Amino acid sequence: EAGVVQSPRYKIIEKKQPVAFWCNPISGHNTLYWYRQNLGQGPELLIRYENEEAVDDSQLPKDRFSAERLKGVDSTLKIQPAELGDSAVYLCASSLGTGGADTQYFGPGTRLTVL
Amino acid sequence: GEDVEQSLFLSVREGDSSVINCTYTDSSSTYLYWYKQEPGAGLQLLTYIFSNMDMKQDQRLTVLLNKKDKHLSLRIADTQTGDSAIYFCAESHSGGYQKVTFGTGTKLQVIP
Repeated sequence: EAGVVQSPRYKIIEKKQPVAFWCNPISGHNTLYWYRQNLGQGPELLIRYENEEAVDDSQLPKDRFSAERLKGVDSTLKIQPAELGDSAVYLCASSLGTGGADTQYFGPGTRLTVL
Repeated sequence: GEDVEQSLFLSVREGDSSVINCTYTDSSSTYLYWYKQEPGAGLQLLTYIFSNMDMKQDQRLTVLLNKKDKHLSLRIADTQTGDSAIYFCAESHSGGYQKVTFGTGTKLQVIP
């Protein structure tokens, strides 16, 4: 079974440019997460989806970040415009969403460098 | 808010046991997790423990939970070079959906 797929794996852009990341979760996983992982830190949740509904976007900087999961399957995270401080690894994860210890499966991440 | 802290680095010799420690602040934590992250990869769940348990063993991994002191540890027996990675402690608590809060990670270096 395929794991969580993310693309691109690496992205280098200049500040003020837009950038988008794509995630395809594990088939059948209703819950999808976007995390940001700064160097030397643990992942921090940006947004969580239950099917197509964003149920927790409290940590998403809404002035420049947006996300969508239109059909409740794959998802896109966008930054416009990017700032130097956005350089990080953006991780996507998915889970069945059954509650309890709901195991999250992570993709390999997209490493963003903003110059 | 929740806070999860770990030491940054641990170095052990191949074949020895590794013990990675973690402290957390949220007394209502329900599940405590250990994730492993290899270079260039996402996080992989190794094991988790429910808060009403003191210990959980899974092959070479032993998790110990001291709920009174809010201290969690991961022991890796017979540490191998393939165990070299960053290990993240994480917690989630009940009440609505279980948002997971991750620690800063401990980099384990295994010396051959």
